[in-house]
Amino acid sequence: QLQLQESGPGLVKPSETLALTCTVSGGSISSSTYYWGWIRQPPGKGLEWIGCISYTGNTYYNPSLKRRVTISLDMSKNQFSLRLSSVTAADTAIYYCARSGAVAGIDFWGQGTLVPVSS
Amino acid sequence: QYVLTQPPSASGTPGQRVTLSCSGRSSNIGSNYVYWYQQLPGAAPKLLIYRNNQRPSGVPDRFSGSKSGTSASLAISGLRSEDEADYYCAAWDDGLSGPWVFGGGTKLTVL
Repeated sequence: QLQLQESGPGLVKPSETLALTCTVSGGSISSSTYYWGWIRQPPGKGLEWIGCISYTGNTYYNPSLKRRVTISLDMSKNQFSLRLSSVTAADTAIYYCARSGAVAGIDFWGQGTLVPVSS
Repeated sequence: QYVLTQPPSASGTPGQRVTLSCSGRSSNIGSNYVYWYQQLPGAAPKLLIYRNNQRPSGVPDRFSGSKSGTSASLAISGLRSEDEADYYCAAWDDGLSGPWVFGGGTKLTVL
């Protein structure tokens, strides 16, 4: 069974870079069928798609976050990562990693990790 | 703030049928599939409907989706207390908002 697990620091300071990793088990990120991405949810609010990456390294980003976001793959560890630079309190959210495909859309989600941005 | 529009709240009584709406525009719902997600309190979203009206394995047939033009709906029949959750619609967007866009979510209360 596919599982995705987010990991990263529990707190980030304003103006710094938020960095998260998603470890995939029960499946390979080198599959040509899927994209691997990130979605976030500020406390008490709705979902915001951040971006995704294919096994070839092609990336798609939310236009509103594009200047600050980088998503990358580490095939050797079956992981993918998110970097969000110059964070502010508005970036405080639960960050989910997820798999998406052409048929079922965003079909598998990690459990999410809360990342507060605070000094 | 959200590209897709959903009513913030809805309610129903056990056994009732409720319908949740989601509206967009030609660049998203009008030309692409719609997806629905259920988010129980404290949990990650779960795929409920894909490609407008398809249910993943394990999703009860009480849940059904439909699409017409630039709007979509999620219907829940035989409402149960465990259906109380937030429901989000999503779609691929061919315009400047995309690729993926979400609605703001509808909080469904089972009275």
